Amino acid sequence: QSVLTQPPSVSGAPGQRVTISCTGSSSNIGAAYDVHWYQQLPGTAPKLLIYGNSDRPSGVPDRFSGSKSGASASLAITGLQAEDEADYYCQSYDTSLSGWVFGGGTKLAVL
Amino acid sequence: QVQLQESGPGLVKPSQTLSLTCTVSGGSISSDSYYWSWIRQPAGKGLEWIGRIYPSGSTNYNPSLKSRVTISVDTSKNQFSLKLSSVTAADTAVYYCARFSAISSSGFDYWGQGTLVTVSS
Repeated sequence: QSVLTQPPSVSGAPGQRVTISCTGSSSNIGAAYDVHWYQQLPGTAPKLLIYGNSDRPSGVPDRFSGSKSGASASLAITGLQAEDEADYYCQSYDTSLSGWVFGGGTKLAVL
Repeated sequence: QVQLQESGPGLVKPSQTLSLTCTVSGGSISSDSYYWSWIRQPAGKGLEWIGRIYPSGSTNYNPSLKSRVTISVDTSKNQFSLKLSSVTAADTAVYYCARFSAISSSGFDYWGQGTLVTVSS
């Protein structure tokens, strides 16, 4: 069981908007630690998608956005494209574990 | 452009020690601006943080692996290494090295391509 909880899968049609949730606790997200999001295409290393809850690295389309509230965070993808089909992971710091933790990952299917 | 590259044996026997090295290019591992980490991913499963090292040599490990993990740094070679002892089949995974800023909340911004390590006799 992952410390951060994500839905195993989400899906959407091209052009639609989807959101992926990441639920933590008072020892990680709820303790004001930042959430970062990664996109992992099949057979490749994860790629930083969102950092510091809502910032995008250079080159990441503004179709991707992140937010955080309380002990949860969300990744939103608008204008869904076939190339967005991938696994998405949230990540934060956990004070009780004194280390970084990942969500279990969410597989996005573009129908 | 910073690049990270994992290297090491792709096959390790049960009960032996897994050893991997991450070579950093395009930037100095000695910079006190970054942590250097190991992360693994079993086939079809999620990411698991293994541990991190600061250029000073200070380390932090995942409590679930702490008794078996050692991460070290060689600043003269711009490398850091992972040793995982007493491996079992459950340690079979793709192992990634990655960089995390120590001065700003910017996530794991650079990753190696990953290396598959299989534990089998």
